[in-house]
Amino acid sequence: ETGVTQTPRHLVMGMTNKKSLKCEQHLGHNAMYWYKQSAKKPLELMFVYNFKEQTENNSVPSRFSPECPNSSHLFLHLHTLQPEDSALYLCASSPGQGLFNEQFFGPGTRLTVL
Amino acid sequence: DQQVKQNSPSLSVQEGRISILNCDYTNSMFDYFLWYKKYPAEGPTFLISISSIKDKNEDGRFTVFLNKSAKHLSLHIVPSQPGDSAVYFCAASAQGRTQGGSEKLVFGKGTKLTVNP
Repeated sequence: ETGVTQTPRHLVMGMTNKKSLKCEQHLGHNAMYWYKQSAKKPLELMFVYNFKEQTENNSVPSRFSPECPNSSHLFLHLHTLQPEDSALYLCASSPGQGLFNEQFFGPGTRLTVL
Repeated sequence: DQQVKQNSPSLSVQEGRISILNCDYTNSMFDYFLWYKKYPAEGPTFLISISSIKDKNEDGRFTVFLNKSAKHLSLHIVPSQPGDSAVYFCAASAQGRTQGGSEKLVFGKGTKLTVNP
């Protein structure tokens, strides 16, 4: 148990559906992250939020829309996804201040787009 | 263009022996390196890290070595145990690229370690 939870753990959706992934951290951290892990590829950073402000968008298509209402919660809204978006989506958090901080990951949401 | 490379997709070791996992990087701006371990159906768990001002960091059975001139780091696990069987990810960041204290980690593809009893 890392203190970062993600729901749902598994999600199957059609290309026309709209769904949301939720992440919550109980560590008092100020920075939160979304990563994507596709088969045979390294973890790819998608978005970074620090103190609720988005500080990084790693050229992610607009069909992925993040939302960070407070430092403890992070959402990833999904709409009109493609089958190639099927992957493991991981949320992480870190203290968000100072240097040399590790990130703590949630268990991930396994997404399948039909 | 991968900035962090783990060239061995898998490694098999006998219980009690040393496991050595390797990682190479290309970006000379990286100054902080981390190893994560991942079991199936779980997220990556932080294992050990090293900053570029050091060349070795040790934590129990785990030691990370950094060779900046070669842009190479390695994770040594000794003695290896069956519970160490997992996928190990190397990650790096350039602290000068942080924004407000958040870190942009770049990950390798991972090495699957199997420790046989």
